[in-house]
Amino acid sequence: DVKVTQSSRYLVKRTGEKVFLECVQDMDHENMFWYRQDPGLGLRLIYFSYDVKMKEKGDIPEGYSVSREKKERFSLILESASTNQTSMYLCASSLRTAGTRGRHEQYFGPGTRLTVT
Amino acid sequence: GEDVEQSLFLSVREGDSSVINCTYTDSSSTYLYWYKQEPGAGLQLLTYIFSNMDMKQDQRLTVLLNKKDKHLSLRIADTQTGDSAIYFCAERETNTGFQKLVFGTGTRLLVSP
Repeated sequence: DVKVTQSSRYLVKRTGEKVFLECVQDMDHENMFWYRQDPGLGLRLIYFSYDVKMKEKGDIPEGYSVSREKKERFSLILESASTNQTSMYLCASSLRTAGTRGRHEQYFGPGTRLTVT
Repeated sequence: GEDVEQSLFLSVREGDSSVINCTYTDSSSTYLYWYKQEPGAGLQLLTYIFSNMDMKQDQRLTVLLNKKDKHLSLRIADTQTGDSAIYFCAERETNTGFQKLVFGTGTRLLVSP
């Protein structure tokens, strides 16, 4: 089974702190994604990566950066946390090629609920 | 860009059928997905449909796809309290070379005994 793990389930940080959210997958997937989930807004893509050291902006990259130094690990960085970044953060991974079923399904971690006070 | 829309809430009684609806904008989408999110958990793929299909059935789940109207629905037969969750519709973005998914807002299904 694919496993996507996230470093923390719950995190409380102060405004202005630098925050690191870590995500690790064990299925040798090329693609990795960071989303934030807010009530009524669904999932919004922050950044994604299709290979080591490669990154692409998603729909809401402002205030965030990412790092992918190893294939299995994708980090989301909040350079200076703000209260409007209080949210649930979800990491996902998927194959880049079609795979045997061509589905490109994404596998999700359990999420990190971040509160910025 | 692509947009996926869903209603936010649905409430049903145990044993009834649930129908969750979704509309999408990208007519060239090849795959459409339904994900389920249980309380406190990440999303899990529930089922999917390829764009050349009109219907797909998987045990209690039936997915209907109307490509003309860009409408996708998920029917859950004999809904149980364990089906209470948020259900997300997603389409695969086709205008880039990346395998990005565009998710809807999610429909919170509440099943009462």
